[in-house]
Amino acid sequence: DGGITQSPKYLFRKEGQNVTLSCEQNLNHDAMYWYRQDPGQGLRLIYYSQIVNDFQKGDIAEGYSVSREKKESFPLTVTSAQKNPTAFYLCASSTGQGIEKLFFGSGTQLSVL
Amino acid sequence: RKEVEQDPGPFNVPEGATVAFNCTYSNSASQSFFWYRQDCRKEPKLLMSVYSSGNEDGRFTAQLNRASQYISLLIRDSKLSDSATYLCVVNMAYGGATNKLIFGTGTLLAVQP
Repeated sequence: DGGITQSPKYLFRKEGQNVTLSCEQNLNHDAMYWYRQDPGQGLRLIYYSQIVNDFQKGDIAEGYSVSREKKESFPLTVTSAQKNPTAFYLCASSTGQGIEKLFFGSGTQLSVL
Repeated sequence: RKEVEQDPGPFNVPEGATVAFNCTYSNSASQSFFWYRQDCRKEPKLLMSVYSSGNEDGRFTAQLNRASQYISLLIRDSKLSDSATYLCVVNMAYGGATNKLIFGTGTLLAVQP
């Protein structure tokens, strides 16, 4: 079955540690996105990529980094510079052709130890 | 003013009731509108797109009022399984290849037996 796979489902970060969240899709989608969701807030865009080897900052990119070396993969690194990383992280993809449906992964809950 | 605003709820309704949610948006040039459903700690899933003429999908009806800049979702004959958070999503297309989806904070619906 085609879809988006995020891993791990739960992740704990120690002070000063970088952690990487995985996102893989087999939908052959060009565009991929990372969102952060906090309680009582809407999803906020961290980074997005419309094509391999290219990505742009979203609204809250500080303290995060991404790479897009393969079409299928868009990992997100939460660096030690992100002082409030506890949140639910959602990866999504779309064909990238105009306005259309976003397909989401099942999410990663990141917490600070 | 937030770009997309929703009443957070919760809306507590009995089974079989009709319930309506509204969502307002700030950018009059917005092009596309959607309702997503999100279960607790799960990924959002597209419920329906919202078209200018209004559209219906079974028990769900979506309306768009461009003059007043709001969209609505009506759920008839509520089921227990309708309990979820409903996210209003607006595409604030600024032109060019990049489309910017803005998510509302969501409205929580709890259908009671």
